[in-house]
Amino acid sequence: DGGITQSPKYLFRKEGQNVTLSCEQNLNHDAMYWYRQDPGQGLRLIYYSQIVNDFQKGDIAEGYSVSREKKESFPLTVTSAQKNPTAFYLCASSTWTGNYEQYFGPGTRLTVT
Amino acid sequence: AQTVTQSQPEMSVQEAETVTLSCTYDTSESDYYLFWYKQPPSRQMILVIRQEAYKQQNATENRFSVNFQKAAKSFSLKISDSQLGDAAMYFCAYRSGTGFQKLVFGTGTRLLVSP
Repeated sequence: DGGITQSPKYLFRKEGQNVTLSCEQNLNHDAMYWYRQDPGQGLRLIYYSQIVNDFQKGDIAEGYSVSREKKESFPLTVTSAQKNPTAFYLCASSTWTGNYEQYFGPGTRLTVT
Repeated sequence: AQTVTQSQPEMSVQEAETVTLSCTYDTSESDYYLFWYKQPPSRQMILVIRQEAYKQQNATENRFSVNFQKAAKSFSLKISDSQLGDAAMYFCAYRSGTGFQKLVFGTGTRLLVSP
């Protein structure tokens, strides 16, 4: 089955540690996205990538970093510079032409204490 | 910049009844897309319905339909014959039809469904 996988589902870290969230897709989509969701808010875009080895900052990129070495993978690193890292993180992918519909992964809940 | 507003934090409906969720948006563009996403307790975002701004006809998907009022910049979601499985957060989202296709989300409406 085609889809997007995110691992792990729950992640716990101590303050000051960097942590990397995984996102893999087998939909052959060119574009991939990372969103952050906080209670009472909609999704906010952190980073996006249109093609391999290229990515751009979204609305709230500070304290985060990404890489796109393979079409299928778009890992997100939450660095110690991120002031409020505890949140629910969603990865999505889409084609870059035609439909553009974004498909979402199941998300990762990150808790930093 | 585009904004999406969902003014109903929570709505309730009884099984088999009809409920309408409201969404307004602000844009100066003429080419764009509007979406309703459902986020059940599992937190997986699921696309419910999509509307292209250039289409006058309102989109429908089984029990889900929209009332798209382009001049009023309104995009409401109607759920008919509500089911317990419809209980979820519902997000309205906007995407430009040109350039980078960033999704702009509203803050969501929690739908409660009672037997």
